[in-house]
Parts: sequence; C-alpha cells; structure tokens
Amino acid sequence: DVKVTQSSRYLVKRTGEKVFLECVQDMDHENMFWYRQDPGLGLRLIYFSYDVKMKEKGDIPEGYSVSREKKERFSLILESASTNQTSMYLCASSLPYGQPQHFGDGTRLSIL
Amino acid sequence: ELKVEQNPLFLSMQEGKNYTIYCNYSTTSDRLYWYRQDPGKSLESLFVLLSNGAVKQEGRLMASLDTKARLSTLHITAAVHDLSATYFCAVDSNFGNEKLTFGTGTRLTIIP
Repeated sequence: DVKVTQSSRYLVKRTGEKVFLECVQDMDHENMFWYRQDPGLGLRLIYFSYDVKMKEKGDIPEGYSVSREKKERFSLILESASTNQTSMYLCASSLPYGQPQHFGDGTRLSIL
Repeated sequence: ELKVEQNPLFLSMQEGKNYTIYCNYSTTSDRLYWYRQDPGKSLESLFVLLSNGAVKQEGRLMASLDTKARLSTLHITAAVHDLSATYFCAVDSNFGNEKLTFGTGTRLTIIP
C-alpha cells in the first residue's frame, strides 16, 4: 500500500514564524501535492510538483513556498505565518496520467 | 476557471434507503474522482471515472459520469451506518497538468 507520511499531526506556531511542513511518500510517485482544507471550502491546492526540483502554483500559493529536493519528499513552507493560515494541511502523491492521489493523514496547524 | 459544485452539502438518511449525491462541474473534463473522508481521517480514493458513460460500482456505492452534461453522480443503495462520511468529487482541469479541483464535499450521516 502507498504510504504518505506527514511529519506532524498537530502543530502550534506563532505569527511571524517560519513554518515547515514535511511530507514523505514511499511509492516512487512522480507527482506530489499540498492542499489546505477548511470547513465549507473543501480542499484547495496550494502547490504541486511533477518531479524533483519542479514546482507549480496551485490556486492559493500566496504566503507559501515549497521545496522538492528528493523525489520522495515535498516540503511546504510558510514564510511568515499568519493567523489566516490556521488550517488542516494535506499532502498527496500520485503516479502520472490521471492516477488517483493518495493522501497523508494531515497536519492541523494553528497559528496564534 | 474550473468550478465544482456538489449537492447536497449535508445529507441525513435512514439505513436501508437509497440516495444520490450530485457533482456538477463548469468546464470540459474527461476525468473525475470520488473520495471518502471519515472524521479525523484522510481522504481515501473510491472511484476514478475516465470517460463519458463510465460507471463503477463497489459494494453499495455506484458512480457514473456524463461528460456532456458535466455531471457525475454517486448513488448509495440500501445505506448502512458505516457509509457515514464526507464524500468529495474532484475534477481534472483537462490541461494535462494533473491538477484537481475539489468540490466542497457532502457530509453523509446514516441514521439507524
């Protein structure tokens, strides 16, 4: 089975801090994704990546950046955390050409 | 901009009854996905629908796709309690970039 592992289930940070969320997948998937999930808004795509060192902006990239130095790892960075970034963050990975995405358990991030 | 709408947003139904969740989307796409999310858990892939007229079934769930109407349905037959979850549809943007746009989800509660 595909395993997508997010480094923390719960995280509390302060406004202005630089925050790193880590995601690792073990199935050699080319594609990796970061979403945030908010009540009533569903999942919204922040960034995605097709390959090592490749990244594409999603629908809501403002205030975020990403890093993919190795195929199995995709990091989401909040450059200067703000309270409106309090949310559930979900990482996913997939094979190319329309294969379904496999999701991690999520990180519930609170910015105080 | 691709928009994906699900209805209803909330559905409470009795065990043994049948019901349908609808997923409408705004632009051409040939790939549609259904996911399930249990409370506090991550998303699990249910179905991938890849062409007009596609129908897939797993247990009491059946999904179909009408690309001309830009509509997918998720039909629940003789509901049982363990189908209680939030169901999301997601649509590929059709630009070949693997980007999905999710609906806001349907929270299904099955009452004994």
